Amino acid sequence: DVKVTQSSRYLVKRTGEKVFLECVQDMDHENMFWYRQDPGLGLRLIYFSYDVKMKEKGDIPEGYSVSREKKERFSLILESASTNQTSMYLCASSFALGLSGNTIYFGEGSWLTVV
Amino acid sequence: KQEVTQIPAALSVPEGENLVLNCSFTDSAIYNLQWFRQDPGKGLTSLLLIQSSQREQTSGRLNASLDKSSGRSTLYIAASQPGDSATYLCAVRDNTDKLIFGTGTRLQVFP
Repeated sequence: DVKVTQSSRYLVKRTGEKVFLECVQDMDHENMFWYRQDPGLGLRLIYFSYDVKMKEKGDIPEGYSVSREKKERFSLILESASTNQTSMYLCASSFALGLSGNTIYFGEGSWLTVV
Repeated sequence: KQEVTQIPAALSVPEGENLVLNCSFTDSAIYNLQWFRQDPGKGLTSLLLIQSSQREQTSGRLNASLDKSSGRSTLYIAASQPGDSATYLCAVRDNTDKLIFGTGTRLQVFP
């Protein structure tokens, strides 16, 4: 079974803190994604990585950065957390386009509250 | 820009009913379409994936169809059960390898 693991399920951070959200997948997937999910707005793509050290901005990258030093790990970084970044963050992974399956798999989500 | 819409936003049905969830998208140049289930406070679980060249996919009581030319997909759930209660999301994958999601249909099946 494919597994996408988000290390922190629930976090509470203070405004201005630097926050790291970690995601690990065990299927040797090329692609990894970070989304945030908010009521009424659905899932919005923050960043996307299609290979080690490669990244691409999604729809809402402002206030976030990412790191992909190893194929299995994709980190989302909030450089200076703000209250409007309180949300549920979802990590996902998949094979690249054209390869088998192309199903995208999600982690369980990380609930972040910034106070 | 691709937009994905799901109707209805919420649905409440008695157990045993057959039901249809709708998903529409504005740009027919998609690579595939995927249906997901999300339980409250949890991540997304993939239900069905339909490649752009396919018309439908089936898994157990679920059947998903795709009409690319009209920009529509439906998820059919047969003989609904209370355990089917969840939010159902569709997402289209374009040739940039990204998924664009609808806002979901919240389904409640009552005994």
